[in-house]
Amino acid sequence: DSGVTQTPKHLITATGQRVTLRCSPRSGDLSVYWYQQSLDQGLQFLIQYYNGEERAKGNILERFSAQQFPDLHSELNLSSLELGDSALYFCASSVATGGDEQFFGPGTRLTVL
Amino acid sequence: DQQVKQNSPSLSVQEGRISILNCDYTNSMFDYFLWYKKYPAEGPTFLISISSIKDKNEDGRFTVFLNKSAKHLSLHIVPSQPGDSAVYFCAASAQYNTDKLIFGTGTRLQVFP
Repeated sequence: DSGVTQTPKHLITATGQRVTLRCSPRSGDLSVYWYQQSLDQGLQFLIQYYNGEERAKGNILERFSAQQFPDLHSELNLSSLELGDSALYFCASSVATGGDEQFFGPGTRLTVL
Repeated sequence: DQQVKQNSPSLSVQEGRISILNCDYTNSMFDYFLWYKKYPAEGPTFLISISSIKDKNEDGRFTVFLNKSAKHLSLHIVPSQPGDSAVYFCAASAQYNTDKLIFGTGTRLQVFP
C-alpha cells in the first residue's frame, strides 16, 4: 500500500459526459501527479500540482483539467469524453518536487462507451 | 513519438535464472533513469534508478546498466523469483528533474518454477 488513494476504482460512462477522478496523496506529500495509461501504452504524464499550484504540464488535453485543494487532495476533471479517453488514470504523490520519488495510487479505470 | 522504448512486450524466465529487461531512449537530454514494477490492480512502485554519471547501479538482486553511447539501459534480476512476475516500466527524465517522467510501454515478466 503506497498510501495514495484514488476514487473511484472503476468508472463507466458515455461519450460526451464529464467525470471527476479524485486522489488523496500520502500524508505530508505536497506534490500530486496525474498519468494516463491507455491500452498497450506507457504511462503518459498529464500534469503536476505542488502545494496547490500547477507545477508542470505534459500532454494534457484541453478537455481535461485538474486542481489541488488546500487539504492537498487533487481532482482530475475529464469532459466531453471520447471513446479514446478510456484508460487507466494514475495519481502519484511525492514529498516535494524536482527529484523526489513518486508513490503511485492503484489507479482509476475509466471506460467510455 | 516514443522517446522511451521497451521493445519486448513480454519475457518468460525460469526461477533462479537471470532476467534481462531492456529499454532504449532517443532523447540525449535524458540524464536520470528509473525502473518501476507494477502488479495487477496496483500502481507502479519504484524499483531502482541510475543517473547518467554512472554506468551501473546495484540493489540486491537488481542491477541497472546504462550505456549512454547506445542510449540503452537494462535491468538485470538475479536470481529471478516467482514474486518478480510483474510488468516493468522504464522511465526517463531530463535535468535530474523527475517531475516529468517519460515512461516506456512496459515489459511483462513471468518467472515460472
